Amino acid sequence: ETGVTQSPTHLIKTRGQQVTLRCSSQSGHNTVSWYQQALGQGPQFIFQYYREEENGRGNFPPRFSGLQFPNYSSELNVNALELDDSALYLCASSSSDRVETQYFGPGTRLLVL
Amino acid sequence: DQQVKQNSPSLSVQEGRISILNCDYTNSMFDYFLWYKKYPAEGPTFLISISSIKDKNEDGRFTVFLNKSAKHLSLHIVPSQPGDSAVYFCAASNSGGSNYKLTFGKGTLLTVNP
Repeated sequence: ETGVTQSPTHLIKTRGQQVTLRCSSQSGHNTVSWYQQALGQGPQFIFQYYREEENGRGNFPPRFSGLQFPNYSSELNVNALELDDSALYLCASSSSDRVETQYFGPGTRLLVL
Repeated sequence: DQQVKQNSPSLSVQEGRISILNCDYTNSMFDYFLWYKKYPAEGPTFLISISSIKDKNEDGRFTVFLNKSAKHLSLHIVPSQPGDSAVYFCAASNSGGSNYKLTFGKGTLLTVNP
C-alpha cells in the first residue's frame, strides 16, 4: 500500500509569483485535504476535495485554489505569493468509509522571498 | 480564537516512565478526536483516535482519555521510549459537518531521555 506522496519537497519563490504543489493520495483514498503549517503552529485547514469537487474551505483567500483529478490526486495552487505564505504545506487523504481519519504526506516546504 | 489548545509546549520524561500529553477544546460540536506524532522533516503520523461516544481508547502503549464535560483529552504513553521523542498534535473534528476538517492544537514537544 502506497502512502500519501507530495512534490516537490522544497520550493523557493519570490513575492508575487505563482506556485503549484502536488499530492498523490494513499491507495484507495478518494478524499484529499490540504493544510498549511506555519512555524510553531499546528496545521490549518485550507480546503478539501471529494470526487473532484471542493468540499469545504477554511479561512484562506481565493488566491489559494485547488484541483482533484479522476485518480484522486490533487493540486494546490497559490497565486500572487506573499511572504506570509512561507510554510509547510501538507496534504492528507482519507477513504469514504473512514473519512474521519486523515493520513498525511511528508509536506512541501515553501519559502517566499 | 483557538478552539484546540495544547497548553504545554514541551514535556520531558525518563525512558520507561509514563508520558501524559494534554489537550483542551472549546467547540462543543467537536465529536471526534485524534492524536498525531510528527518528526522533523516528516508529515504528521496518525497515532490514535477517539469518538465522543467513548471515554477511553487503547492501542498498545498508547491510550487516549476523553472527558467531555471538561472538554479535555489526554494521551498516555506507557512505557515511554526514546523513539517517542517528537511533536504531538491533538486534532478535533465535527462529524456533523460536511468535510471532517481537522482543527489542530499547536503541539507539544515530547523528549524521552534514555
